Parts: sequence; C-alpha cells; structure tokens
Amino acid sequence: DAGVIQSPRHEVTEMGQEVTLRCKPISGHDYLFWYRQTMMRGLELLIYFNNNVPIDDSGMPEDRFSAKMPNASFSTLKIQPSEPRDSAVYFCASSSGLVSEQYFGPGTRLTVT
Amino acid sequence: GQQLNQSPQSMFIQEGEDVSMNCTSSSIFNTWLWYKQEPGEGPVLLIALYKAGELTSNGRLTAQFGITRKDSFLNISASIPSDVGIYFCAGQSNSGNTPLVFGKGTRLSVIA
Repeated sequence: DAGVIQSPRHEVTEMGQEVTLRCKPISGHDYLFWYRQTMMRGLELLIYFNNNVPIDDSGMPEDRFSAKMPNASFSTLKIQPSEPRDSAVYFCASSSGLVSEQYFGPGTRLTVT
Repeated sequence: GQQLNQSPQSMFIQEGEDVSMNCTSSSIFNTWLWYKQEPGEGPVLLIALYKAGELTSNGRLTAQFGITRKDSFLNISASIPSDVGIYFCAGQSNSGNTPLVFGKGTRLSVIA
C-alpha cells in the first residue's frame, strides 16, 4: 500500500487567498483525521471522519476552515480566506477503527504571506 | 480535554548512550502509541501497546505500558545519529469513543 498521500507537499500563498489541501487515506481505513502542527501548539486535531461522515469538528479553529470527504478515498481541507497565522504543517492520518493505530501522511507545509 | 505530559521536552545525547522518555496522563488509558517524526515528514508509528504492564520491543526501542495505565515509557538503547527526531506519545482513554491524544513530543539530538 502506498500509505496516506497528501498534496501539495508545500503551498505558499498570499493572505486572503483560498487554500485547498488534499488527502487520500489508506485503502480500507474507515477513519480519517486532519491535524495541524505548529511549534507553539504541537499536533492539534482539527476534524475527523468516520465512513466519510464528519464526527467531531470541534478542533476547527474558525469558520474559515472547512473539510469534506466526498468518498472513502479522498478528503479536502479548505481555508478561505487564508491568514498568516494559518501557516503550519497540516497532516492527514487514517486508521481502521477509532481505537486503532493512525497512519500519517507526509504533510503539507503551508505558508501564508 | 485530556492532556498528556511528555518529558523531557528535548534531549542532547552522545552517540552510543541510552535514552529514556516518558508520558503521563491524568486519566486511565487503554492504548499507548509511540511515534517518531523526522524533519519534513509525518509521524511514523514505532510501537503500539494495548495492555497494562505490556513491554514491547522494536529493535533498539523498548516501550512499556505502565501498570497504573496512566503512563508509558520509551527507551532507546545505544543511540545512533539516525535516531534524531521528535518522539511523540499518544494515548486513548478508557472510554474508547474518543480519538488519540498526543503529547507535545521529545526532541532528540544525537551528537556523534
């Protein structure tokens, strides 16, 4: 298996622009998680899905953030409009079950200028 | 929400030395996981623990699920330069209906 795939690996954008991050989970995994990592706050869980349905989005910082999972093999995290404080590394992870090991993608490093 | 206290925050050690780090929680956990993150990459699972008292090894790495179920330890023996990275603990509470909680990581530097 190719593991969790994320794209792009790096994104540089200007404040106010829309940013879309993409994730393909491991085939057969029914849970998908979006995390944000910064030096100050560490790994923060933003939202997670079970069988393509959002279960808990309490970690999403603001209405500017939205996430979708239209099918079992694809998810997006969108920021609109982006702000400099959104600069971070965003990770997608998947697992087969909530009580199970999570496998992470390589991350997308977002820089908003 | 639940929090994990991971210590130390950072370590500088000489190549060949053994390393110990730990993680504690305020509540009982059913699962403990240890991950390693290298620069520019995502965290990679090293060891998973599911039973109180369990001791599991993966090469030079050994992790233990504390008998109180509120802590876990990771030891690295005879460190080498490629051990450099950030080590994260993660746990899941007794309720079983919440996702993993992650510690803030231990940043390991190995001096050759």
